[in-house]
Amino acid sequence: EPEVTQTPSHQVTQMGQEVILRCVPISNHLYFYWYRQILGQKVEFLVSFYNNEISEKSEIFDDQFSVERPDGSNFTLKIRSTKLEDSAMYFCASRVVRDSRTDTQYFGPGTRLTVL
Amino acid sequence: AQKVTQAQTEISVVEKEDVTLDCVYETRDTTYYLFWYKQPPSGELVFLIRRNSFDEQNEISGRYSWNFQKSTSSFNFTITASQVVDSAVYFCALSGAAGNMLTFGGGTRLMVKP
Repeated sequence: EPEVTQTPSHQVTQMGQEVILRCVPISNHLYFYWYRQILGQKVEFLVSFYNNEISEKSEIFDDQFSVERPDGSNFTLKIRSTKLEDSAMYFCASRVVRDSRTDTQYFGPGTRLTVL
Repeated sequence: AQKVTQAQTEISVVEKEDVTLDCVYETRDTTYYLFWYKQPPSGELVFLIRRNSFDEQNEISGRYSWNFQKSTSSFNFTITASQVVDSAVYFCALSGAAGNMLTFGGGTRLMVKP
């Protein structure tokens, strides 16, 4: 069964450094998402992406964040200058765009980002 | 604005007990979608079920069942004859018709003891 994959599984970085988190959505999916989960807290929406542009974004997704689909398979989240509070699990999700009544977002395994 | 509330932060049961996880939601959308996801200790989010607001039929899948009550804005999840492998954090989530983002509840940590 096709899966969303994410790399790396764990990223450790120094405060102020740039990080890029990578995701490979399910191949026939067209809508992509990033969510984050601070340890012990709920999952929060960051951004959705469709047809090569941001569809929706939350207040969390400020100018420090950007997303890109650099090729036909990858979907990336970049944090320009990491802060301690960016430490979290970052989940990528994707869904096929067929019927909003039946489409479901499928999540990748997550990347744990630790900012020191 | 949408909101999902899972009032039970942690539930502990003994194996073979039945357990119900509560989920209450708020939305102004007339069409919306409700979901349950399971997050085992390994951390991934596993999709369990989706329910559309215009379909109030309850669903059973093996030991899992879901009770959607539009009148009380609730979408509760029951595990019958719980097993140790059911131990996980369970999230209820909501998506509106116009937007695609999922709004998650705070999660319920279920611990099933042998």
